[in-house]
Amino acid sequence: GAVVSQHPSWVICKSGTSVKIECRSLDFQATTMFWYRQFPKQSLMLMATSNEGSKATYEQGVEKDKFLINHASLTLSTLTVTSAHPEDSSFYICRLKPHASATQETQYFGPGTRLLVL
Amino acid sequence: SQKIEQNSEALNIQEGKTATLTCNYTNYSPAYLQWYRQDPGRGPVFLLLIRENEKEKRKERLKVTFDTTLKQSLFHITASQPADSATYLCALNMIYNQGGKLIFGQGTELSVKP
Repeated sequence: GAVVSQHPSWVICKSGTSVKIECRSLDFQATTMFWYRQFPKQSLMLMATSNEGSKATYEQGVEKDKFLINHASLTLSTLTVTSAHPEDSSFYICRLKPHASATQETQYFGPGTRLLVL
Repeated sequence: SQKIEQNSEALNIQEGKTATLTCNYTNYSPAYLQWYRQDPGRGPVFLLLIRENEKEKRKERLKVTFDTTLKQSLFHITASQPADSATYLCALNMIYNQGGKLIFGQGTELSVKP
């Protein structure tokens, strides 16, 4: 069964509103969570890395004030797209790194959240 | 500059044939290379990981090779089935960053016709 969930799976919002996307670990504690964005026919681009209890590390070119990440617990990370605009429309995907020692073969991605900003 | 390149054009093959997908990279020194499957509107699903000191890895109908001299990985699906139709992504996991950053290629869309 699924070990990572995302909510909502899709969302449509008006330009200027804020949207919160949740990423939950269902089966284990995740010390580190990664947020990716994927535009149609393009690769997954890492936006930021979040560690439980500390500030997220953002990739170059990603505005930390626009994409707020909160990793408040070992099972939940949230990404808030503030004042969303049509160019923020994309597929947002989280990835988890388990707390317990895991082999490199263990990779957990969420099912993704489709955001459409009108 | 650093690049990861996969076949940009879709690959169309007949059921039962072997599909071969290519992943080339430049100016990276990955410790691991991974292959994922992604269906439309879904997150990636992990398939295989191969380490820099491994030449080949197999899992059921899947085979991955890794040539660090050529900076290339090949991904093979033998006895392909229509259900194998999807986009396949390669991803590099960088040295000294275990479980950390994955750098993805843009993916190759595979279509297997019955």
